[in-house]
Amino acid sequence: DAGVTQSPTHLIKTRGQQVTLRCSPKSGHDTVSWYQQALGQGPQFIFQYYEEEERQRGNFPDRFSGHQFPNYSSELNVNALLLGDSALYLCASSSGRNEQYFGPGTRLTVT
Amino acid sequence: GDSVTQMEGPVTLSEEAFLTINCTYTATGYPSLFWYVQYPGEGLQLLLKATKADDKGSNKGFEATYRKETTSFHLEKGSVQVSDSAVYFCALSDDDTGNQFYFGTGTSLTVIP
Repeated sequence: DAGVTQSPTHLIKTRGQQVTLRCSPKSGHDTVSWYQQALGQGPQFIFQYYEEEERQRGNFPDRFSGHQFPNYSSELNVNALLLGDSALYLCASSSGRNEQYFGPGTRLTVT
Repeated sequence: GDSVTQMEGPVTLSEEAFLTINCTYTATGYPSLFWYVQYPGEGLQLLLKATKADDKGSNKGFEATYRKETTSFHLEKGSVQVSDSAVYFCALSDDDTGNQFYFGTGTSLTVIP
């Protein structure tokens, strides 16, 4: 079992650009959640996808959007990047109301 | 709203010392409680969980008991090892809001030989 995988591992972008991060859930999981973890902080919930729809959303602006595909994989898109978007972006997968399994994250640096 | 407050670090202990990391929560429903651990450069790994009051979660020598009366879920280990050095996150999942997780800010633990 490959567990949760994310790509890319690291990414450097310039302010104003757009970025897409990808996540493949653990085998058997149908729900994907995305989190932003700033340096020295706990993960902050961005949104959750289930059955290809956004089921829940945290306190993040519309610049953050996502998608879930029929194979349950997911993308996180961030438009008009700001310096403050620099963070570790974590994807977590789950099935039903069970614990979430996290991927290794994508480190995004905005310059 | 739901939230988790955990003891600020960093915490530095000698090998074989006793560890306690405090965690308290606020929730409107009946949450499940979790401890996650993050090793340097890695994602979060589930350490233990408890899904109802008075449950005790345990794993790898770590324990935490779900105390509804004090809204707490403190993490303990009787004898820490150098390999336990990591950042520990307390988290809750409120059944009333589905599977959204709320995390504390994390407590960094360093164990010295």
